[in-house]
Amino acid sequence: QVQLVESGGGVVQPGRSLRLSCAASGFNFSYNAIHWVRQAPGKGLEWLTLISYDGTSKYYADSVKGRFTMSRDNSKSTAYLQMNTLRPEDTAVYFCARDTSATPDYWGRGTLVTVSS
Amino acid sequence: DIQMTQSPSSLSASVGDRVTITCRASQGIGNDVAWYQQKPGEAPRRLMYGTYKLQRGVPSRFSGSGSGTEFTLIINSLQPEDFATYYCLRHNRYPFTFGPGTKVDIK
Repeated sequence: QVQLVESGGGVVQPGRSLRLSCAASGFNFSYNAIHWVRQAPGKGLEWLTLISYDGTSKYYADSVKGRFTMSRDNSKSTAYLQMNTLRPEDTAVYFCARDTSATPDYWGRGTLVTVSS
Repeated sequence: DIQMTQSPSSLSASVGDRVTITCRASQGIGNDVAWYQQKPGEAPRRLMYGTYKLQRGVPSRFSGSGSGTEFTLIINSLQPEDFATYYCLRHNRYPFTFGPGTKVDIK
């Protein structure tokens, strides 16, 4: 079955960097774009970024543009979110999700990132 | 960017009720709206996409309608497992935008 598993979250100081991974299985990873969405504690969903199936196109929310970079390795069925210059307001659960019909369909369970000194 | 609003922000309903949630866009977005259900501690689940297309495996009591700037998610005959928070997602162009959510709880 389709499965996405996020990893790499943790506690990090403001201004530091972190890289999240999204390992996929149960489908042909190289055929689908991948989204990242986050959810701050007790808050709603915030769409962050998408990478196309082949990695040639990437789109970002204004809140993370220039600080976050998405990439993928189709040989490993894994997508990545490199997060630089982290801020306390980046504290959230980060979800990756497969794209079908131009929207996220299957989601991982998320990984918690806490930005705090 | 195009902003999305949802109403109501929360509602209380009983099992068997018909529930209507509305999502409005600050400008026209065609039919490019998806709906998600999220329960506490879980990942979101896609219910609808392209306004009215039902995700495989989602019960037919869920339906979507609308176009342009106003979109509606209807839950016919609310079931106990439907108590959750619902989000719309605008996906006409990047960056995408979620609505702020509507929490449906038990009356």
